[in-house]
Amino acid sequence: SQQGEEDPQALSIQEGENATMNCSYKTSINNLQWYRQNSGRGLVHLILIRSNEREKHSGRLRVTLDTSKKSSSLLITASRAADTASYFCATAVGSARQLTFGSGTQLTVLP
Amino acid sequence: DAGITQSPRHKVTETGTPVTLRCHQTENHRYMYWYRQDPGHGLRLIHYSYGVKDTDKGEVSDGYSVSRSKTEDFLLTLESATSSQTSVYFCAISTGGQETQYFGPGTRLLVL
Repeated sequence: SQQGEEDPQALSIQEGENATMNCSYKTSINNLQWYRQNSGRGLVHLILIRSNEREKHSGRLRVTLDTSKKSSSLLITASRAADTASYFCATAVGSARQLTFGSGTQLTVLP
Repeated sequence: DAGITQSPRHKVTETGTPVTLRCHQTENHRYMYWYRQDPGHGLRLIHYSYGVKDTDKGEVSDGYSVSRSKTEDFLLTLESATSSQTSVYFCAISTGGQETQYFGPGTRLLVL
């Protein structure tokens, strides 16, 4: 069963706009991670936020985590056509080095 | 790509035949994983390994077996391929001190 569910499933925006994707999960987590996948490629790690953190930044990325609501959001600011990809959240539970991935959000940034 | 290669990159096979996919890493990372990716399901963990000859099942392990006789190689075997195993298979590694995973380029498998 999937731990994380992304919302929306697909998102289309214009270049320069901000893109927000949401992830909800079911059980208590150790950390939550976001990955990007370009078409036909493997996943690339973007950012990790721990359960005791509320917000984290990396370049144009901002991730928030609300453990009371079991949800996270990924904000990409000033989007570019190169940001077009699928974005997945993944949760880590306890000390196990296993990740459970959501079904992803397909982001299309139009030039 | 963190020195991860997968072979073959594409394979077409027939139902009932055995298939072995190989994941090779060059940096002696301890943890290795096999996932499958299907539309609408994201990535689902098949098996993982936490050392040579140390493996465990993931969420969707039925119909798959794995072996890790060397640190650098993690093999995924479909003993008797079925059409439901048509998918894209990804290998990933995790370093000892980090919790993030690094993915290989994937193998597209079509079972006819």
